[in-house]
Amino acid sequence: DGGITQSPKYLFRKEGQNVTLSCEQNLNHDAMYWYRQDPGQGLRLIYYSQIVNDFQKGDIAEGYSVSREKKESFPLTVTSAQKNPTAFYLCATGTSVNTGELFFGEGSRLTVL
Amino acid sequence: QKEVEQNSGPLSVPEGAIASLNCTYSDRGSQSFFWYRQYSGKSPELIMFIYSNGDKEDGRFTAQLNKASQYVSLLIRDSQPSDSATYLCAVNSLTRGGSEKLVFGKGTKLTVNP
Repeated sequence: DGGITQSPKYLFRKEGQNVTLSCEQNLNHDAMYWYRQDPGQGLRLIYYSQIVNDFQKGDIAEGYSVSREKKESFPLTVTSAQKNPTAFYLCATGTSVNTGELFFGEGSRLTVL
Repeated sequence: QKEVEQNSGPLSVPEGAIASLNCTYSDRGSQSFFWYRQYSGKSPELIMFIYSNGDKEDGRFTAQLNKASQYVSLLIRDSQPSDSATYLCAVNSLTRGGSEKLVFGKGTKLTVNP
């Protein structure tokens, strides 16, 4: 089954804890992205990657970290430095970093208590 | 800061009517324009893209682009209750590094009443 798998779907964490969100794809897409969505807001870009072992900061990278060790995987760590981490996190892929035709995973909803 | 503006709505139309969703953008150099549909609690899915001035039709959906006015719209004909969702406008803008970045609007919530 081709697609993008994000896990976990729901996650609760205490303040001050680091959290890692998983994103795996089998679409063979080069570009991968992490977006954050808050209620009533559009999508804001956290990080993106166009090739293995390379990634770029988006508009709101502070308090987040990523890695791209394999083409299929682009995990996002929400660190304790992120001041307001409760949000809906979306992973997306594209055939290249310059495309606007993105495919999204189902999302991970993080709640920090 | 390159911006994409949408009326947040909610926009409410009766079943069978035409729903008109509008979007303006600030980057005059943008060349690619996208409409994503997002059902409540779900992830966005691409429904239309347009690169040239004018209209592009796909089934009940028509995207319209006017680069001179920096305006893009989405028309949904014969609206159905299943079209009730938030519609996100997205525009590709050039970054300082020369790559393109997709900038999203905040979305317009559409409700189609039976």
